[in-house]
Amino acid sequence: AQSVTQLGSHVSVSEGALVLLRCNYSSSVPPYLFWYVQYPNQGLQLLLKYTSAATLVKGINGFEAEFKKSETSFHLTKPSAHMSDAAEYFCAVTNPNTGNQFYFGTGTSLTVIP
Amino acid sequence: DTAVSQTPKYLVTQMGNDKSIKCEQNLGHDTMYWYKQDSKKFLKIMFSYNNKELIINETVPNRFSPKSPDKAHLNLHINSLELGDSAVYFCASSQVLAGTDTQYFGPGTRLTVL
Repeated sequence: AQSVTQLGSHVSVSEGALVLLRCNYSSSVPPYLFWYVQYPNQGLQLLLKYTSAATLVKGINGFEAEFKKSETSFHLTKPSAHMSDAAEYFCAVTNPNTGNQFYFGTGTSLTVIP
Repeated sequence: DTAVSQTPKYLVTQMGNDKSIKCEQNLGHDTMYWYKQDSKKFLKIMFSYNNKELIINETVPNRFSPKSPDKAHLNLHINSLELGDSAVYFCASSQVLAGTDTQYFGPGTRLTVL
């Protein structure tokens, strides 16, 4: 069985500050992990993904995430927040062996304060 | 050249009606999905389907049924609509056999049941 937990349903940061969105996973097999972003009234867009290659994954818009097996974490970071980063962020996990079942977290709403 | 498209974007209807939401993907993917996103942004998988297997989330009422006329389409048919069906429905697709399993999402259909 697999699941993800996103700590903090709402995160607020000042423009230019570090963004840190937390995701912890539970998986019986080495997982694939994903971060998606959802802008208001839009669908989900892939930010980045971990598929058992490099543990530090770089995505679009300056975001990156690090897979830490010892901590079962896949936290999303960005060094400097921009107003356009305000959105809902979802972490997801899947089993590479079956592939067709994504388990999403409950989402974190990011607010960027000018 | 939209990768995953859904129609309609908005759907307002009365309780008890039957409605369908259409989904098309032009990515050549082998697997398609339907998700329901509730008012708290929680994403729940409803179905995953490829040409061999339909996997149904057991919590989905049997009033919901996916229909796939061909590999590029997975429509969602809903019978006897209820107030609780109001949500945003997302279609997604992926190429499961590719090994990365990234799911690509459509823009969503906002269903309102009155």
